[in-house]
Amino acid sequence: DVHLLESGGDLVQPGGSMRVACAASGFTFSNYGMSWVRQAPGKGLEWVSTISSGGGNTHYSDSVKGRFTISRDNSRDTLFLQMNSLKVEDTARYYCVTDVGPVGPLYDNWGQGTLVTVSS
Amino acid sequence: DAVMTQTPLSSPVTLGQPASISCRSSQSLVHSNGNTYLNWLQQRPGQPPRLLIYDISKRFSGVPDRFSGSGAGTDFTLTISRVEGEDVGIYYCMQATHFPRTFGQGTKVEIK
Repeated sequence: DVHLLESGGDLVQPGGSMRVACAASGFTFSNYGMSWVRQAPGKGLEWVSTISSGGGNTHYSDSVKGRFTISRDNSRDTLFLQMNSLKVEDTARYYCVTDVGPVGPLYDNWGQGTLVTVSS
Repeated sequence: DAVMTQTPLSSPVTLGQPASISCRSSQSLVHSNGNTYLNWLQQRPGQPPRLLIYDISKRFSGVPDRFSGSGAGTDFTLTISRVEGEDVGIYYCMQATHFPRTFGQGTKVEIK
């Protein structure tokens, strides 16, 4: 079974930094582009960032560009999101999701998410 | 950016009756490879989203056949042929043709 387990979410002050991770298992991680999608409390889904299967291509939403960095370690089947200069509006549950795979960008596997709270 | 607009935003439905959700994109979702990467996701209360439909109309593994998708270009529809209690939740369309990926606002399906 495919399993995505996010970790690292916590309470952080505005202007602070945090790194969240996603450990993948049950599939060939290195064959998939991966994305982060977030959901603020009581709100809808917002795409944050995508990284290609090999890590050479990345994309970011305008709301996080220049502050967040997506990366991956295919030897450890792990996806990361480094978040700097955090703002109150970054408060959300961050989901790790499979993006482009052999059949296309299905968004077919989601973790349970990790909660990032930005507050003073 | 491809802005995704869903209607309605709320859909009270009687058990056993059909429900339909519309999703319109501000630009064509046809990829240069000819595919249209329009997905429908379901989010039950307290759960992560779950893929129901991909590529406009392909039902994902394990999804009941009462769920169906249709459309082309910029206009798409998710139909539930007979709503069951477990279908309560929020439904999102999303496009994965372009970057940035974008989601609709979500449609809340509830039982009357």
